[in-house]
Amino acid sequence: GENVEQHPSTLSVQEGDSAVIKCTYSDSASNYFPWYKQELGKGPQLIIDIRSNVGEKKDQRIAVTLNKTAKHFSLHITETQPEDSAVYFCAAHYNQGGKLIFGQGTELSVKP
Amino acid sequence: NAGVMQNPRHLVRRRGQEARLRCSPMKGHSHVYWYRQLPEEGLKFMVYLQKENIIDESGMPKERFSAEFPKEGPSILRIQQVVRGDSAAYFCASSPVGDGQYFGPGTRLTVT
Repeated sequence: GENVEQHPSTLSVQEGDSAVIKCTYSDSASNYFPWYKQELGKGPQLIIDIRSNVGEKKDQRIAVTLNKTAKHFSLHITETQPEDSAVYFCAAHYNQGGKLIFGQGTELSVKP
Repeated sequence: NAGVMQNPRHLVRRRGQEARLRCSPMKGHSHVYWYRQLPEEGLKFMVYLQKENIIDESGMPKERFSAEFPKEGPSILRIQQVVRGDSAAYFCASSPVGDGQYFGPGTRLTVT
């Protein structure tokens, strides 16, 4: 079945440290993996995504890695700042234009 | 370019009433998705629509819930005879063909 597991559920880091959030997916046909940031009272914001033909993608302080064999993908945030504090969701999608299956979310807290 | 728009942002309904949630996709986006988020949980897919067509409604309850995306105007998610368990945040997302989904700010439905 379609399932995405996300860990950890909460993560607290000091400002300037790195944060890593990991997800696994069940459907080997999944080919697109976006990450969303959700601040309190707001909608999810797409921050980075990766397709199955790429192993790593970076955008400034954010990077995502994908291991298709192990069905793992991870979000890496370097030099964290207090404004990075939010809930982060990973998702997987296997039908072009189709539904996203979301992980359970990680509440990231960056302490100044 | 305006983002995805949803209204109302907050909606209070008594048990048994109807709730109508509206979503205007981003300009140029022909795909609309509805997701539901219960408190402190992830997002769950409900329905995927293109203009005048329901593509995938596998996540939508069979009774009381319906969705449409007419040729003109916004997409509508309709919940008839609401119950307390329908209280949640409902998010709409839109995408162009084969690209990422961009979310609106959500409608927070409270059933009293």
